[in-house]
This record gives sequence, structure tokens and C-alpha cells, in this order.
Amino acid sequence: QVQLVQSGAEVKKPGASVKVSCKASGYTFTSYGISWVRQAPGQGLEWVGWISPYNDNRNYAQELQGRVTMTTDTSTSTAYMELRSLRSDDTAVYYCARDPSIAAVGTAVDYWGQGTLVTVSS
Amino acid sequence: QSALTQPRSVSGSPGQSVTISCTGTTSDVGGYNSVSWYQQHPGKAPKFIIYDVRKRPSGVPDRFSGSKSGNTASLTISGLRAEDEADYYCFSHAGSYTHVAFGGGTKLTVL
Repeated sequence: QVQLVQSGAEVKKPGASVKVSCKASGYTFTSYGISWVRQAPGQGLEWVGWISPYNDNRNYAQELQGRVTMTTDTSTSTAYMELRSLRSDDTAVYYCARDPSIAAVGTAVDYWGQGTLVTVSS
Repeated sequence: QSALTQPRSVSGSPGQSVTISCTGTTSDVGGYNSVSWYQQHPGKAPKFIIYDVRKRPSGVPDRFSGSKSGNTASLTISGLRAEDEADYYCFSHAGSYTHVAFGGGTKLTVL
């Protein structure tokens, strides 16, 4: 069965960086994109970005451009999201999700990871 | 502020039907037949329930249906059950720079 298993919770200080991992299993990793979505406490879902493990194409949310980098390791079927220069308003649960679109960012994600809480606090 | 507008809350009694709207523009919802919907219970990851405006993934009950008219997509839940109480989000294209976006979310209360 399809599973996306994310790394554990992180606590970071403002200005630091965080790297969240998402290990995929149960499907061919290079046949689907990976989207990242975050949810601040008590708030709605916010799309962070997308990457294609097939050809390394990426799209990032405009407001995070320059601070976020998404990568994949096809040898371990793992996707990574790194966020730099962390601020308090980056505190959120970060989800990875499988996107059936492999060529460009799609508008549907079918399987989700369990989420990783990133807390930014001094 | 989301590019896609949803009502903050809706409610209905068990057995009734409710409809949740997701309003955009001709550049997003109105321009593509690719809106999806997600159900999220507190403390849980979202669940995929509708794609391409009206298609249901395997295992999603046919009580959940999607539609679109102009720049507004809609999710209708018929035969409401207590377990349908959750937050619901639409997801669609959102213009060339934003790429894609979620609606602001709608809290469904089953009375």
C-alpha cells in the first residue's frame, strides 16, 4: 500500500534552517510528483511547493521563493524540503503528499504523509 | 488571504444535504476542470475526496459529489452523518505565479 512516512518534529530558533524528509513506499517513486503543504496552528492548508522525482522540475510558492528548496533521492525514494531563515510564522505542520502529475504541478494530491511539526521559537 | 474563497462555516442536520462553495476567477477555478477537495478531521492529515471537479477516488462514498458553474466549484454532501463533521478544502490552479492554491477552508458542523 502507498505510504509516505515523514521525519519527526523539530524545534528551531529564528534564523535557523530545517530539513524535513518524506520516505515513499508502495509505488514507483519516479512516476509521481511530490507536493509539500503546511498548516499553521488553527489555520488552513497552504501549498508550499512541488517537485518531480522524474526530471527534478520544481515549483515553489511565490512567498517562499529564495527560502525553500525541495530535493529527492531516487535511490531511497525519499523527498526533502528545506526551509531557511526560519521565522516564527513558519511554525506549522508540514505535510508531503503524492501528486499524480509528473510533468508539472498538479491540482490533486492523493496520499499524504502524517505531517511534521516544525516549531520556530527563541 | 487565499485566492480561492470558501465560506468559513456551514452546518446541517443528520440526513440533510449541504453544499460548500469554492469561488475563484476565470484564471483559476473557471479556467480549468481540475478542482479537488479534501476532508480534514482535527489532528489528522487531509483526505482526498474529489478530483477533476466531480470524480471520486476509490473508496469515497457517493454521498460526496462535486460540480462547477462558471468560477465557482461546489462540494455537496448528502445524507449527512456525524462523522462528516470536519474541515473541507478546495484546491485548484491559482494563476501563473501562484501555480496552485487551497481555499481558505470550511468548517462543517453536523447539528
